Amino acid sequence: EVVLTQSPGTLSLSPGERATLSCRASRTVRSSYFAWYQQKPGQAPRLLIFGSSSRATGVPDRFSGSGSGTDFTLTIDRLEPEDFAVYYCQQYGTSPRTFGQGTKVEIK
Amino acid sequence: QVQLQESGPGLVKPSETLSLICTVSGVSVSSGSFYWSWVRQTPGKRLEWIGYGFYSGSTSYNPSLKGRVTISVDTSKNEFSLKLSSVTAADTAVYYCAREPADGLYVADGLYHYYGLDVWGQGTAVTVSS
Repeated sequence: EVVLTQSPGTLSLSPGERATLSCRASRTVRSSYFAWYQQKPGQAPRLLIFGSSSRATGVPDRFSGSGSGTDFTLTIDRLEPEDFAVYYCQQYGTSPRTFGQGTKVEIK
Repeated sequence: QVQLQESGPGLVKPSETLSLICTVSGVSVSSGSFYWSWVRQTPGKRLEWIGYGFYSGSTSYNPSLKGRVTISVDTSKNEFSLKLSSVTAADTAVYYCAREPADGLYVADGLYHYYGLDVWGQGTAVTVSS
């Protein structure tokens, strides 16, 4: 299976700063089948980015995704208070679908 | 508005079968446009894909669950279900049902972006304990 490794484990930033989250795959994944999710405490994950770079409905444009092959990035420009959460990457191009272990973005 | 809602026992004894139902509203499970999926989140917050079912009866499962899982889609009730047999404490988790569109978004030049899990239920906690 494809193992996804996210870094850093925790990112401590202030509102207004930029967050850069990384997800590295153990082998090449198809970028059309790569997503990022946001999860807040007590809530289900929420789809943010699919196809490595397309924003899901209602997702603000301060969220952007990029990458291909084995390296993918989620960037959050100008962090808002509601952006502090845990973020997961996922690949769904090969079975079994797999998730990264998550990156927590916390308020500094 | 599409909504998914999980239901089922919150406590299951070891070696027994965990059974959950996901009730779907706002869209038909008999639509050939979606995979109906289950994902679980361990107490350590790790997400694990369990598998999906399709309206036609086809399925795909995570091999890590070693043949213990069955996902069924019931078009007459507009719901789908998860059965996980021979449970142990390692199966304690929050279980989510979710929808995955089968079709992609056309981007350009023959390129499609596929949606991933675009709608999720709120999740239901299941503990395996005697």
